[in-house]
Parts: sequence; structure tokens; C-alpha cells
Amino acid sequence: TAGITQAPTSQILAAGRSMTLRCTQDMRHNAMYWYRQDLGLGLRLIHYSNTAGTTGKGEVPDGYSVSRANTDDFPLTLASAVPSQTSVYFCASSVNTNQPQHFGDGTRLSIL
Amino acid sequence: GQQLNQSPQSMFIQEGEDVSMNCTSSSIFNTWLWYKQDPGEGPVLLIALYKAGELTSNGRLTAQFGITRKDSFLNISASIPSDVGIYFCAGNSGNTPLVFGKGTRLSVIA
Repeated sequence: TAGITQAPTSQILAAGRSMTLRCTQDMRHNAMYWYRQDLGLGLRLIHYSNTAGTTGKGEVPDGYSVSRANTDDFPLTLASAVPSQTSVYFCASSVNTNQPQHFGDGTRLSIL
Repeated sequence: GQQLNQSPQSMFIQEGEDVSMNCTSSSIFNTWLWYKQDPGEGPVLLIALYKAGELTSNGRLTAQFGITRKDSFLNISASIPSDVGIYFCAGNSGNTPLVFGKGTRLSVIA
């Protein structure tokens, strides 16, 4: 079972460039999430989607956008990357919003 | 918004020792979860708790959902080197996304 697949595994990006982090799940989960993990700050929610066609803002949404065109995919886009967006990004999914989340293995993003 | 206070931030223990960590919330939760993250990987669910007072074990791990519904603890008995990692508590109420604690970094000295 693949579960959640994130791509790329890591990326170095020049400031000002755009980037889309990909996330796909094969569990038919309704809810999906994007987090960033920074040392000492734990996991902070960027955006989430309760079901296909809907999205919501998390704790740190500025500078990021998401879309949920179908159940399986939940891409995260940085329109114009800045160095403060250097982080490890995790995608997660759950059956519904109040159920435990399953995480991908993360994308390590460095903005120079 | 909801806030979680997880402690301790980090722990260094001898192999074979028991470990205890806890989380407190500023508001009542309906669900408490405990995750472990190994280096270079995403968090993995260890234990899920859904009822106040609930005590659940998973091997050497035991977690409890506090009676006040504002706290939870995780105990690890007889620690081994592979217990090394970051442990996160998480919780929510209703249909809101999970709120995560900042994590407890566990180091086990053989």
C-alpha cells in the first residue's frame, strides 16, 4: 500500500521562483493537510481540505496556496519563494477531519 | 486558537529506564493522539484516545486521556535504543484539524 506519496523528496530553489509540492494519497481519505516543520516549532498547519473541492487556511497560510480538484491530490504552491519558507513540508490525510492523520515522508525545501 | 503545551522539550535517558511525557491544552479536546517521528520520516501514529479517562497500551507504550479532557500523557517502559525520536501529542475537538504539540525529543543512551 503506497499510502501518501510526496514529491520531490528535496529541492533547492532560488528566491522569487515558484514551486509546487505534490501530494497524492491512495486511501480515498476525505481530508488532506499541509504542514511545515521547523526546529523548535513542531508541526504548523498551512492549509487543509475537508473534502474534494474545499480548502481552508491553517495557522501559517501566507505565501502558500492549495487546490483540491479531486480526492487523491492536494498540491501546495509557493508563488514566489522567500528564504523564510525554507523548511520540511509534510502532507497528511485522514478519513475525516476528526480522525487520526497519516503522514507522507516529507519534502525538504531550501530557498536561497 | 487552541494551544498545546508539551513537556519536556527533550530528554536524555539510560537504556532500560521508563519515560514519561505529557501535554496540556488550553481547551477541552475530544481526541488525543500520540505520534513518533524518526529522522527523515513523517510522524507515525502510536496511540489514539477518544474518551476521557481512557488508558490504552501499545506494547511498551501507555497513554491516557485525562479526566478533565485538557491533558494526556505517554509513558514508555524499559526504553530501548530504537525509542529514539521525536514524540508529538495532538488533539482536537469537533471537526477541526488536529493541533500538534511542539514535540519531545528523546535520546536513549545505551
